Amino acid sequence: AQSVSQHNHHVILSEAASLELGCNYSYGGTVNLFWYVQYPGQHLQLLLKYFSGDPLVKGIKGFEAEFIKSKFSFNLRKPSVQWSDTAEYFCAVISGGSYIPTFGRGTSLIVHP
Amino acid sequence: EAGVAQSPRYKIIEKRQSVAFWCNPISGHATLYWYQQILGQGPKLLIQFQNNGVVDDSQLPKDRFSAERLKGVDSTLKIQPAKLEDSAVYLCASSPHQGGPPLATQYFGPGTRLLVL
Repeated sequence: AQSVSQHNHHVILSEAASLELGCNYSYGGTVNLFWYVQYPGQHLQLLLKYFSGDPLVKGIKGFEAEFIKSKFSFNLRKPSVQWSDTAEYFCAVISGGSYIPTFGRGTSLIVHP
Repeated sequence: EAGVAQSPRYKIIEKRQSVAFWCNPISGHATLYWYQQILGQGPKLLIQFQNNGVVDDSQLPKDRFSAERLKGVDSTLKIQPAKLEDSAVYLCASSPHQGGPPLATQYFGPGTRLLVL
């Protein structure tokens, strides 16, 4: 069965710091990869996704993620975070052929001014 | 475009009671998902519907949980009887179609927060 690991459970940064959140998955075949964000008091929403093609994908609000197949990773990055990026971030994987989404446990990001 | 609607938003019940949650997906979305999100964890898929048929319910505790999606639109998730460990947020999501990208992107509702005492 597919599993998704997000190693950073809590991250605290100052504004303008760079961000990288790790996401690793276990299944070695074709995968569809997602990052979702949940702002305080709001519902989960899609940040970015990778299906095929360029392994560096860009999402909303200046976020990007890189798919490295050899490392089974899909890390999320942002060069300069803002206070408004304070949220919970979830990595999700859909393995090719199963169509069953598997989520990581999430990373809580706090950005202080 | 209206988003995924869920009700109620909050529910408090005692153990051994029954509870039901309702979800209305985005219009035209064929696939509907129910997730359980326990505090401090990521969403765990309970059941996935394609129109009104079940695609996967392998993680649904069928001795107490049931779900249906009549007419391929709205869906209800029921717990009977509830246990303390069922305290969680129950999320509903929909996507345009099951299958390959880009149609697998999910759109989430606000969730129902359940507390079992």
